[in-house]
Amino acid sequence: DAKTTQPTSMDCAEGRAANLPCNHSTISGNEYVYWYRQIHSQGPQYIIHGLKNNETNEMASLIITEDRKSSTLILPHATLRDTAVYYCIVRVGVVYGQNFVFGPGTRLSVLP
Amino acid sequence: DVKVTQSSRYLVKRTGEKVFLECVQDMDHENMFWYRQDPGLGLRLIYFSYDVKMKEKGDIPEGYSVSREKKERFSLILESASTNQTSMYLCASSPAGADTDTQYFGPGTRLTVL
Repeated sequence: DAKTTQPTSMDCAEGRAANLPCNHSTISGNEYVYWYRQIHSQGPQYIIHGLKNNETNEMASLIITEDRKSSTLILPHATLRDTAVYYCIVRVGVVYGQNFVFGPGTRLSVLP
Repeated sequence: DVKVTQSSRYLVKRTGEKVFLECVQDMDHENMFWYRQDPGLGLRLIYFSYDVKMKEKGDIPEGYSVSREKKERFSLILESASTNQTSMYLCASSPAGADTDTQYFGPGTRLTVL
């Protein structure tokens, strides 16, 4: 699986959009970009994933650059409950038995 | 919404005890997984199952076994708990036949072995 690079930490004001970047310059054509988050002492929570096109769901939007070497997760109106570690993972579509590799992630702090 | 539940959030056991961790998912997913998460080591796959009564070893199966008698339930068993099995245990599930292996995780069980 391709390696990802994320900022160690970010702050965001409550109510504002949180834009979390991820670099994955070695991504290959069959690899998806996944985003998960983990609130302290809880299990990882799936947010969104995409292959080439931008994606949006009730939680967030995922913007993938045309060359697919980077992406941005957007939380449109961050709340205090969005404070968590956010993980960007690049992975082929179906890899039964292969570990989900969570890197250090970005620690997002939403400030009142 | 996908719901994955785990039997306990916190568990304290003594060395040598047999420990059962249970996981139930309500989305009729074929695939289920057990991971442990430790600081600095990330998530490590212990066992997974892609069908009832089927099981496959992950990266670190030693000291663990699993049971999948029903589709919705996947149990992790520590035959004789040791202190180095103190960890956060995470269960996950995913549907088969999809283009991607999106895994949905439970809340985790923090196990302490004394």
